[in-house]
Amino acid sequence: KAGVTQTPRYLIKTRGQQVTLSCSPISGHRSVSWYQQTPGQGLQFLFEYFSETQRNKGNFPGRFSGRQFSNSRSEMNVSTLELGDSALYLCASSLGTGGSYEQYFGPGTRLTVT
Amino acid sequence: AQKVTQAQTEISVVEKEDVTLDCVYETRDTTYYLFWYKQPPSGELVFLIRRNSFDEQNEISGRYSWNFQKSTSSFNFTITASQVVDSAVYFCALRSYYGNNRLAFGKGNQVVVIP
Repeated sequence: KAGVTQTPRYLIKTRGQQVTLSCSPISGHRSVSWYQQTPGQGLQFLFEYFSETQRNKGNFPGRFSGRQFSNSRSEMNVSTLELGDSALYLCASSLGTGGSYEQYFGPGTRLTVT
Repeated sequence: AQKVTQAQTEISVVEKEDVTLDCVYETRDTTYYLFWYKQPPSGELVFLIRRNSFDEQNEISGRYSWNFQKSTSSFNFTITASQVVDSAVYFCALRSYYGNNRLAFGKGNQVVVIP
């Protein structure tokens, strides 16, 4: 069974640009969560999507948005990039949401903003 | 609000020594899950263990063991007879039982095993 895949793996953008990151969950998984990892703030929850609906959102500005498609693939978008958005972005997929469902993480997308 | 504290940032040990990673958590939920993840240099978070709040049995898996004490809100992790391959960042995380998959992570422990 294929694991969680994230594309691209590495990305370099300039301040002010926007970026879209993609996450393909494990087949059959309907929940996708996104996390930002930085040296200063650690791992922080961005949002979770389940059955194409945002279930929960972390404390991030509106520049961070996401969506989920009918095949459970998810994208997150960051507009008007800032230097502080440089981070490793991880997504995790799960069969369901809440309860005892396991979450499996992808390898991440390393975003560098210059 | 949920909070996870991992006080030690970097821990260095000589190969074959034991290392214990402390995790203290705060939550208002009565039912919740605790996790440990390993993050090798490749970046992917690797699941190690999940413990629910109503099961306080300690667990051992090979060289790994976990001590859950609800009375002190702690969920500590011990690696016995450490190996170089154990060098990684280890994260403790907390999740509510109900409603969503949101994980609250600690800052992580960088473990360096010196050969």
